[in-house]
Formats: sequence, structure tokens, C-alpha cells
Amino acid sequence: EPEVTQTPSHQVTQMGQEVILRCVPISNHLYFYWYRQILGQKVEFLVSFYNNEISEKSEIFDDQFSVERPDGSNFTLKIRSTKLEDSAMYFCASRADSLNYGYTFGSGTRLTVV
Amino acid sequence: AQTVTQSQPEMSVQEAETVTLSCTYDTSESNYYLFWYKQPPSRQMILVIRQEAYKQQNATENRFSVNFQKAAKSFSLKISDSQLGDTAMYFCAPLLYNQGGKLIFGQGTELSVKP
Repeated sequence: EPEVTQTPSHQVTQMGQEVILRCVPISNHLYFYWYRQILGQKVEFLVSFYNNEISEKSEIFDDQFSVERPDGSNFTLKIRSTKLEDSAMYFCASRADSLNYGYTFGSGTRLTVV
Repeated sequence: AQTVTQSQPEMSVQEAETVTLSCTYDTSESNYYLFWYKQPPSRQMILVIRQEAYKQQNATENRFSVNFQKAAKSFSLKISDSQLGDTAMYFCAPLLYNQGGKLIFGQGTELSVKP
């Protein structure tokens, strides 16, 4: 069964450093998403991406965040200057054109900012 | 704003028993999809079951079934013959057309299945 692949599984970074979280969506999917889950809290929408541009972003997704699809297969989330409160699990997801099957999620990247 | 409410932060059930997790949501749309996702301790997000809002028949997937009440905007998950591997956080998540196909998650219900 096709999978969404996320790397790394765990990233530890110093406060103020830049991090790039990587995702390889399912190949025939057209819509891509990043979600965040702070430990013990709900899963929060960050951004959606379609046709090589952001289609929607949440209030969390400020100027410190950016996304891109650099080569037609990878989908990356960059945090320019990490803060302690960015520590969370970050999930990438993709879906096909039809909403019927929902999203396929990656296994997540646990980001720890120290 | 669209909201999703899971009113049971934690639940427990004995192995082999049946448990029902509740979810209510708010939307003005008439057509949408509803999903339950399971998040075990590994924190992977796994699709459990889905329901199309225009279908009156409740979805069933092996031991998992839903009770979908469209007028009440209620979407509960029933787990029959609970197994230890069902221990996980369960999230209810509507997927709405006018939200750009964005999944909106409830707060989650942490289910413990006890031997």
C-alpha cells in the first residue's frame, strides 16, 4: 500500500536554528498538508499546498514557516528560527483529488527544540 | 468557525467488551466526509473508518462501526470486541469542501483497553 514517508523521525535542534522537515507524498496525490501536534494536545492544521502554491495557512504558520515542493516528489517544511514552543510532532499528509479517501499521513517527525 | 467536540477525554474498556466514543461537529455544509483516526503510542495516524455525509447507511469496518446522525451533527464510533491493540488516542475529523478539503480534528479521546 502506498505510503507517505517523513524524514527524519526525530530531530533535535538548538533554539534559533533552522530546520527542514522532509516528506515524500504518495506519487499520484495532488494535495499536501502539514499538521502539528504538541505533546498531549490536539492536532493542528498548519498549511495546505496545491498546484505548487499554498492554498491555505493557519495563524500558526507565520513568517518563520515556509513550504516548498522543490523537485516534484519531496514536500518540505522549513522553520527558519526555531523556538522552544515549536517542539512538537509534525505530520505530513497527502490526498488524491477525491475527498472520499481522506488523507494518508506520514509517521511524523518529532521535533525537539532545546 | 468549524468546531469538533469529543466530550470524553479518556475512556477505558475491558477486553472483549464494546465501547462507544462520541463526537459532535458544527458545519453549515450539506455534503462532507467524516473520519475517525487512531493514534497508538507510536503516534502514527491511522485511518479507522470513514462516512460520507450524503449516505444514510452507517459505515462498518470489521469491529468498528459508526452511528451517524446528520441532523444532530453527531458521529460516534463503536468498537466491538475490544482488543488490547485498540489502546490509542482516537480523533474524530470532518473533511469539508468549503474548507478546501481540510481535515479538522477534535481534541481526541484516549482509550485504554484493559485485560
